[in-house]
Amino acid sequence: DQQVKQNSPSLSVQEGRISILNCDYTNSMFDYFLWYKKYPAEGPTFLISISSIKDKNEDGRFTVFLNKSAKHLSLHIVPSQPGDSAVYFCAASEWASGTYKYIFGTGTRLKVLA
Amino acid sequence: KAGVTQTPRYLIKTRGQQVTLSCSPISGHRSVSWYQQTPGQGLQFLFEYFSETQRNKGNFPGRFSGRQFSNSRSEMNVSTLELGDSALYLCASSLLALSGRGVGDTQYFGPGTRLTVL
Repeated sequence: DQQVKQNSPSLSVQEGRISILNCDYTNSMFDYFLWYKKYPAEGPTFLISISSIKDKNEDGRFTVFLNKSAKHLSLHIVPSQPGDSAVYFCAASEWASGTYKYIFGTGTRLKVLA
Repeated sequence: KAGVTQTPRYLIKTRGQQVTLSCSPISGHRSVSWYQQTPGQGLQFLFEYFSETQRNKGNFPGRFSGRQFSNSRSEMNVSTLELGDSALYLCASSLLALSGRGVGDTQYFGPGTRLTVL
């Protein structure tokens, strides 16, 4: 059972435009959400996170939105740049059994066209 | 501050062999988690260690095991390798702040070990 889903395996966007990556989750106990970017042959790099007590968090060109009622989060990249081309993973975390548990989505490959 | 390091970066083994991968977390981080990444499957959680104790385990067979040392460095071992074990194995460390939510909950990943089983 996939608790964190990224339904779009790939996305292409023109340079300078907005990229919107989506993520849905099913577990209402998740209270912390993260986005990672991954280039080939490298480990995922942390981008931005959001706590469940917030609905928006911004860091430069990156903004994460959380809609708890819909169990949906999204990552907006504005403006998109060719260097943003990578695979993006969303992750959700909950406190359970004395530790934090992290569940990752399957990733969305973003291609920013110059 | 140095990031998470993993050794070796690349490994080729044959079926039936065993392999040990190593991970050194960010200095001060006490939680180390291991993930397996295969195409189309995202990151599958293997296990998490904190203060030398395994506190969380994913749905992998017993051939996959790990341990953590007193300096927080961690190793994972895969015995009796199968072709399907070919993957990128990622290690992540976190500060694991136990009060509130925030920076301490963020996992930072190493570059991974690419394991190929022939």
